[in-house]
Amino acid sequence: QQQVKQSPQSLIVQKGGIPIINCAYENTAFDYFPWYQQFPGKGPALLIAIRPDVSEKKEGRFTISFNKSAKQFSLHIMDSQPGDSATYFCAASKDGNQFYFGTGTSLTVIP
Amino acid sequence: EAQVTQNPRYLITVTGKKLTVTCSQNMNHEYMSWYRQDPGLGLRQIYYSMNVEVTDKGDVPEGYKVSRKEKRNFPLILESPSPNQTSLYFCASSLGTGGETQYFGPGTRLLVL
Repeated sequence: QQQVKQSPQSLIVQKGGIPIINCAYENTAFDYFPWYQQFPGKGPALLIAIRPDVSEKKEGRFTISFNKSAKQFSLHIMDSQPGDSATYFCAASKDGNQFYFGTGTSLTVIP
Repeated sequence: EAQVTQNPRYLITVTGKKLTVTCSQNMNHEYMSWYRQDPGLGLRQIYYSMNVEVTDKGDVPEGYKVSRKEKRNFPLILESPSPNQTSLYFCASSLGTGGETQYFGPGTRLLVL
């Protein structure tokens, strides 16, 4: 059973658009929610992370919105660029040791 | 350069032939972990280690073994590989647990015939 459900599977936006990737979870014990970015042929790299005591976190053009009551969180990429084209994974952890990842979203930003 | 290295990067083997994928980090990290990545399934955690001689199962540990005899190394052992273990494997490390940034290696692509 998938502990973290991610959508959409793929996303195509124009340069400057704001792609939004959504994730949902069931286990209320999760207390750490990172997002990873992966380019072809590379390992994932941490992009931004949030804990459930805040509803939003921004780092540069990347924003996480967190809705604790709905058990959902999402990644927004402002002013998207072709260089943002990659696969994005959300994840959740309840103890900082065990991690559960979403199935990934392939983002293409068209120039 | 701070990094996580994995060897080999590519491996083709046959069913039942024991193999080891090595993982090493030069950042003095306490936490290390193994994941497998499969199309449509994302990354799934196999095993993790909180420190030397401390390991625990992740979400999909069946068919795998690990050991952590030294802080820098965390090898993944497939004692009797099967075709369903064909996958892309990633090792990761972080300074500690509780939400520290995980640094991933470059991946090992394994094909079991």
